[in-house]
Amino acid sequence: GNSVTQMEGPVTLSEEAFLTINCTYTATGYPSLFWYVQYPGEGLQLLLKATKADDKGSNKGFEATYRKETTSFHLEKGSVQVSDSAVYFCALKETSGSRLTFGEGTQLTVNP
Amino acid sequence: GAVVSQHPSRVICKSGTSVKIECRSLDFQATTMFWYRQFPKQSLMLMATSNEGSKATYEQGVEKDKFLINHASLTLSTLTVTSAHPEDSSFYICSASRIDYEQYFGPGTRLTVT
Repeated sequence: GNSVTQMEGPVTLSEEAFLTINCTYTATGYPSLFWYVQYPGEGLQLLLKATKADDKGSNKGFEATYRKETTSFHLEKGSVQVSDSAVYFCALKETSGSRLTFGEGTQLTVNP
Repeated sequence: GAVVSQHPSRVICKSGTSVKIECRSLDFQATTMFWYRQFPKQSLMLMATSNEGSKATYEQGVEKDKFLINHASLTLSTLTVTSAHPEDSSFYICSASRIDYEQYFGPGTRLTVT
């Protein structure tokens, strides 16, 4: 079956530091890949997505590239802010249907 | 576009009572809605998938008689937690999917059973 593995958290960084949150996946076919962000007490917001190999999703300074050869979709940001503190979820969706498979989530805390 | 709302955002109920949570897609027609449960510091656990006008499909281990799901229209799904107990206290999140299959998430409902 499908699975998503994220790097274990929590991750604590200082403001303006470089962020990487690793995500690898196992899937049949050609899934779409997503990063969601969850702020405290809220639902999930789509951060970025990529639908095919070598696509790069980007939003709000965050980027992730769909790497089929390494089955990875690592999230990066060059300079984090305190407001980026949240839980980040990597997820995949199969080619057909709507079902998502989520990773475990990574708690990010950015200190001033 | 693609806004999903949930109501209520927080609810406290007494043990043994039932509570209903609504999930609405505000600006699109959702052919499929999903209900998730999230425990503190954990990922989302899919409880069930519902398609408009048909019975929900429950994930293994989810009691369908306890968690009643109704998807009566293309913009509304409800989750009723029947005879709630303290162990049902959790954060419940719905999502809605439209024709292009991407899921859009609601803001969640915090249920506390006393």
